Parts: sequence; structure tokens; C-alpha cells
Amino acid sequence: GAVVSQHPSRVICKSGTSVKIECRSLDFQATTMFWYRQFPKQSLMLMATSNEGSKATYEQGVEKDKFLINHASLTLSTLTVTSAHPEDSSFYICSARKTSGDQETQYFGPGTRLLVL
Amino acid sequence: AQSVTQLGSHVSVSEGALVLLRCNYSSSVPPYLFWYVQYPNQGLQLLLKYTSAATLVKGINGFEAEFKKSETSFHLTKPSAHMSDAAEYFCAVGSLNGNEKLTFGTGTRLTIIP
Repeated sequence: GAVVSQHPSRVICKSGTSVKIECRSLDFQATTMFWYRQFPKQSLMLMATSNEGSKATYEQGVEKDKFLINHASLTLSTLTVTSAHPEDSSFYICSARKTSGDQETQYFGPGTRLLVL
Repeated sequence: AQSVTQLGSHVSVSEGALVLLRCNYSSSVPPYLFWYVQYPNQGLQLLLKYTSAATLVKGINGFEAEFKKSETSFHLTKPSAHMSDAAEYFCAVGSLNGNEKLTFGTGTRLTIIP
């Protein structure tokens, strides 16, 4: 199997607070995880690549100090939205890369819906 | 550089009819190609993937896709639509050279008419 979980599934917070989202690969180890953001009725936009034991690689235009990523183990990556503002409200989806032989596939979590008031 | 174009943001088919969702890609290196399905308020579920083996790829839920290099296409089909197929479908491209990033198309919302 290849199951990826996210927690929480939904979070509402006040403007200015920080929110942490967890992404876990439940039945495989993932040296690489990815964080995406999806606006309503739009496609996924890659925010950053999370590498176990090293710093994340951020896509152009994504503020690394605002979206803190930690990949402390082979099964867990966290995304912290710091000092969240209403414009950060979105659907955040993580994926974990599973390597099988010479093939790689990304398996996605169920997503976390963030609403900043 | 890689890109994906999904023609038709909305597709409606009658229950039992053929489903055809179009995807064209652009890639400077041999591509990996994927189709994902997303149900409301959920993450993405992998339907199928092409990784340079057979050009006709069979996936879950009766879906299949054919890689056509000459047409740079990877259209998704299902012979007979079911009500449960109603969802958003995303085509994505990666690469065989170890590039980890996936580039997604803008998605196609499939509606099934009873």
C-alpha cells in the first residue's frame, strides 16, 4: 500500500496565529515529500519540496519564512503557516514520493483546509 | 521545462457513455505521465501512470490512457461512465531523468448525466 495522511483535515484560526499541518506516510518511508496549495477550482501549485534531514527547497515566489517546513523523519513532514492571514486560506495538500525499483510515484494526502479569519 | 494542457475544463457525459478527457503535454525529456482524480474536499488519488513501458496504461475504476508520443497526448478514457465517476481529473507530467517535480494541468471537471 501507499497511504498518506494529513492532520488536521480542517482548521480555522485567527489572523496572526501560526498553524502546523502534518503529513505522514503510513506504510512506507519517504525521503521526499511535497507541499502543494490549491485555490478553489484551480490546479495544484507546488510550494516546496521537503527532504528528510535537510532544508526544504521552495518554489519561486513562496516565502520560506512564512511557510516553514520540517522533515524530521522518513515518515513525517510538517508545514507551519506562520502569522497566518486571510489570504493564506486555502487547501493544502502534501504528497510523499515512494520509490519502487527504478520507478517513483507521488501519493497524496487527503488535504487540509485552512481558513484564516 | 514541462507543461500540461487539459482541453475542456468541464465535460459532461451521460451515464453509460464513453468518457474522454484530453491531456497534451510538453517535455524536453522523456516524460512520466499521470492521471489523478479528486473528489470534493479530498486529496488526489492516482488513477494510472505511464513510465515508458506499455503505451496503453490501465488504471483503477475501469480507466485507461494511451501515450502517443507523435501527438504528445495522454488522453484518459473509460468505455462506460458511472455516476461515481463524477469528480475533478488532473493530468500531470514528471520526467524520467529523476526530476521529482510534477506539473499539473488545470483539471477537468467531469459531470455524469443520469
